[in-house]
Amino acid sequence: GAVVSQHPSWVICKSGTSVKIECRSLDFQATTMFWYRQFPKQSLMLMATSNEGSKATYEQGVEKDKFLINHASLTLSTLTVTSAHPEDSSFYICSLKGEDNPRVLQETQYFGPGTRLLVL
Amino acid sequence: GQNIDQPTEMTATEGAIVQINCTYQTSGFNGLFWYQQHAGEAPTFLSYNVLDGLEEKGRFSSFLSRSKGYSYLLLKELQMKDSASYLCAVLDSNYQLIWGAGTKLIIKP
Repeated sequence: GAVVSQHPSWVICKSGTSVKIECRSLDFQATTMFWYRQFPKQSLMLMATSNEGSKATYEQGVEKDKFLINHASLTLSTLTVTSAHPEDSSFYICSLKGEDNPRVLQETQYFGPGTRLLVL
Repeated sequence: GQNIDQPTEMTATEGAIVQINCTYQTSGFNGLFWYQQHAGEAPTFLSYNVLDGLEEKGRFSSFLSRSKGYSYLLLKELQMKDSASYLCAVLDSNYQLIWGAGTKLIIKP
């Protein structure tokens, strides 16, 4: 249980374009979704958290107008990197948390496989 | 402030046992997680401790002492595929997950 998919797995784009990353839970309903970013050889950095039915809460220093998060449903969240620049190149990972489901442990985050973004 | 401490890097031999320690100071406590992250991949869940004691799951065990703000992850019968980073994370009183920087474990033949 607790299968999370992410699409695309990697993307290369030109500077100034927008990139959308999808995160789906395949076998449970995710009440809370998280987006992380990780630069090479660095720790996970939480970007934002979104709960069902409410807007995303962004961490300090993360531009909400640049990183648009849409918690579309209990099984889908999207992160759009708008007007991407080379410094946005990173590994973007979503994680999901569910409740009242035998497939998931309470309060446990289950991660998608990640999306590697390279902005030229 | 909130703080999670774990060693940056450890080296161990294939077939041996290794213990990765984690100490924490957080505002409240609602559980401690261990995740494994192979290079270039996303983290995968290993264990969750909320009560004191040892939880065993195959070759991996996780221990928690809430009074000492301390946990360890014990890996037995090490295999080359266990080479990865091991992340300790604590759920604080606001149910926010506070991440450690991770311990890179290198397994040598």
